[in-house]
Amino acid sequence: NAGVMQNPRHLVRRRGQEARLRCSPMKGHSHVYWYRQLPEEGLKFMVYLQKENIIDESGMPKERFSAEFPKEGPSILRIQQVVRGDSAAYFCASSLDSFKDTQYFGPGTRLTVL
Amino acid sequence: KQEVTQIPAALSVPEGENLVLNCSFTDSAIYNLQWFRQDPGKGLTSLLLIQSSQREQTSGRLNASLDKSSGRSTLYIAASQPGDSATYLCAVCNTDKLIFGTGTRLQVFP
Repeated sequence: NAGVMQNPRHLVRRRGQEARLRCSPMKGHSHVYWYRQLPEEGLKFMVYLQKENIIDESGMPKERFSAEFPKEGPSILRIQQVVRGDSAAYFCASSLDSFKDTQYFGPGTRLTVL
Repeated sequence: KQEVTQIPAALSVPEGENLVLNCSFTDSAIYNLQWFRQDPGKGLTSLLLIQSSQREQTSGRLNASLDKSSGRSTLYIAASQPGDSATYLCAVCNTDKLIFGTGTRLQVFP
């Protein structure tokens, strides 16, 4: 059973470009979470999704950030018009039945904004 | 608002020592608590999950305890090895998300 997969592992963007981060949850998992780890800071929750639904986006910046988890395909975290402050490691996690289950994390996408 | 604190922030020990990492949280209304390991530049590996109704969990040389009423958890590592060197994170499941501490950076030297 493959773990949580994220791609790309490293992404470099110039200011103003768009960044798309992909996450494939573990097989059979229908709950996906995105977290962000800024340099020298802890992991912070961004958004919680189930198939086709956003359950909790209380940690998402109000502008430029969006997330989706379509019926088919991976979950996508999209950052429009990136700025230097968006440089961070973005981690995706998945769980089987609910948020009370163990969350399994992917290797992360390290975004660098030039 | 839930806050999670981990002490010490860093720890350096010789191989073979038994050690304890501490985690405290301000809101005892949690569903569970998870301990993770993070290696430099890598993702998180789940080590142990303790449900709110449990007192402890064990996996190999690791033992985690939970005292929900006092807002504390400890991770006990027995007979530490250089391969245990990593950052250890605790996270509480509060509402529908994990709230992370800032971690304890552990170095075990031969």
